[in-house]
Parts: sequence; C-alpha cells; structure tokens
Amino acid sequence: GAVVSQHPSWVICKSGTSVKIECRSLDFQATTMFWYRQFPKQSLMLMATSNEGSKATYEQGVEKDKFLINHASLTLSTLTVTSAHPEDSSFYICSAKKGGAGNTIYFGEGSWLTVV
Amino acid sequence: SQKIEQNSEALNIQEGKTATLTCNYTNYSPAYLQWYRQDPGRGPVFLLLIRENEKEKRKERLKVTFDTTLKQSLFHITASQPADSATYLCALDTGNAGNMLTFGGGTRLMVKP
Repeated sequence: GAVVSQHPSWVICKSGTSVKIECRSLDFQATTMFWYRQFPKQSLMLMATSNEGSKATYEQGVEKDKFLINHASLTLSTLTVTSAHPEDSSFYICSAKKGGAGNTIYFGEGSWLTVV
Repeated sequence: SQKIEQNSEALNIQEGKTATLTCNYTNYSPAYLQWYRQDPGRGPVFLLLIRENEKEKRKERLKVTFDTTLKQSLFHITASQPADSATYLCALDTGNAGNMLTFGGGTRLMVKP
C-alpha cells in the first residue's frame, strides 16, 4: 500500500521555540494532505487541509499564525508549530489523499511533540 | 448537528469470538465510509472502504456493512485474535474531491486469550 512518512517521530522543544514536522508521501503524489491533532484517548481532530501550491484551509479554532502549513510539492507538507507552549504538546498526525473523491487516505505514523 | 458516534466504552471479547463494532451518524450523507485501526501512539491504518451503494464488504476476517437508511455501519472481526486488540475508527467521506474525512471517536477492542 501507499506509504506516508512523518518526521520526526518524537520531538521535545523548549517553550517559545518553533518546531517543524514533515509529512511525505513516499510512493504517490498527494494533491491534498491533512493535519490532525490527537490528545490521549481522544479521536483525531482535523486542524487543516493542505493543498499543493495554495494556502491551507484551517478548521475553526485553529490559529493560522501558530500552526503554519506549507505544501510546497506533491509529496511534502510541513507543519510548523511557532512559539510553542506546553499546551501544544500533543500527537500530530498527517495524512495524504492519493487521488480524487473517495480515494483512500493514508496516514503517517504521527509525531509526538512535547513542549517543556 | 452532524455527529458520528462510536461506542466509547471498550469492547472486551474472548479470542475466537466475533467482534462487532458500531458506527452511527446523523446529518451526513456520506458517499463512502471507511474503517481504520489505530494502535497506541501510532497513526491510523486503513482497513476497508464501503460505498453508499454497497451493503457489505469483506476482507479476510473483516466484514463491514453500510445501511444508509439506518445511518449505520457495522464492523465485524470474525475469529478474533489478541493481535486484533486496538482502537477502531470509522470515518465518513462525503465524496467531494478534496473533502477531508470526519472521524468518529473510536472504539477500543480488547481480545482476551
């Protein structure tokens, strides 16, 4: 099946710093990628939809200036958590849609962010 | 309001039995419904997709049903094994290009040996 890779898997950063998480589709081109956040024992919460070559669409309540999303190519989207705070500590997961409507979405392995 | 509901309580079953998980939705008209497996600390893994015009889909020990009248999908694992223990998520896709999946809260399945 299709592979989506996230990096880093684990990251610890200090409050006030920024951290970038990469999401790559390794064997297919993804015109659309999605970023989710998941707290322990809770479901996935969509943060934003990222389309290649255009600005991301953010869900209500998600700060655009805090969570910067760049989808510069058909195989790479990045999420940058700016000026991180301890409450930003979470599990961040990306996914990539392989084609048009109805195609399967493949998920990365997720990235654990801890802000200290 | 739109809702996707999965049983938030864990489902505990004995090895070898059939596990049945439920996904109910309201105020959606999904063209597709998908089931994913998620292990702790890992990203979800795609299992099955069923279209609105399909009533049942099978894959090895897995079976999914989709009743658009009841607005419900059932996910069955036959001959369950301890390795099937995980959280199972249903997700709706309304079918429009670029639309994201909307996930239910997931049901944790525990298969005891």
